[in-house]
Amino acid sequence: NAGVTQTPKFQVLKTGQSMTLQCAQDMNHEYMSWYRQDPGMGLRLIHYSVGAGITDQGEVPNGYNVSRSTTEDFPLRLLSAAPSQTSVYFCASSPGGREKLFFGSGTQLSVL
Amino acid sequence: TQLLEQSPQFLSIQEGENLTVYCNSSSVFSSLQWYRQEPGEGPVLLVTVVTGGEVKKLKRLTFQFGDARKDSSLHITAAQPGDTGLYLCAGARYGGATNKLIFGTGTLLAVQP
Repeated sequence: NAGVTQTPKFQVLKTGQSMTLQCAQDMNHEYMSWYRQDPGMGLRLIHYSVGAGITDQGEVPNGYNVSRSTTEDFPLRLLSAAPSQTSVYFCASSPGGREKLFFGSGTQLSVL
Repeated sequence: TQLLEQSPQFLSIQEGENLTVYCNSSSVFSSLQWYRQEPGEGPVLLVTVVTGGEVKKLKRLTFQFGDARKDSSLHITAAQPGDTGLYLCAGARYGGATNKLIFGTGTLLAVQP
């Protein structure tokens, strides 16, 4: 039972570098989303998608891009990494409506 | 702006003690979820409450949704070391999709054996 798979688990970047965080789900969920988790701030929504080809911004979208070409994959791109983007990133999916979110195990990103 | 405030932020107790975690907001939510997160893992859903005043029980955990749908509480009876983790509440706004949940600030619970 794979569920939601995130790669890599850990990543260190230098300021200005770009990278893509990968997220894949095998549950045929329409909804997918990216959150960042910082100490004392809970989870904050970066971007989300309600289906293939449809994406929208969350609370903290600046510095991040997403695309949804397939139902299974929802990659998060950092175009020019900044130290303020040091965080733990979680991808989540849900069947739709107001059902529960299924989370991946996270990517711990450090930007030096 | 953090719409959902949780208290306390940290809680360290002995095995067998009871505790309550609070999740408060000035906004009204159509439903509220509680998640538990263990180190190195993503949050896992514990319960969803959808009706004002609703009470749900999950073994030793009791969840309540406020009458006005602006707050919620989680009560743990006779805490066990296995209850250790980060507890997060998350509210769904009226008309919003599930993946636009607003998460609370979190309560880190440590239960000492």
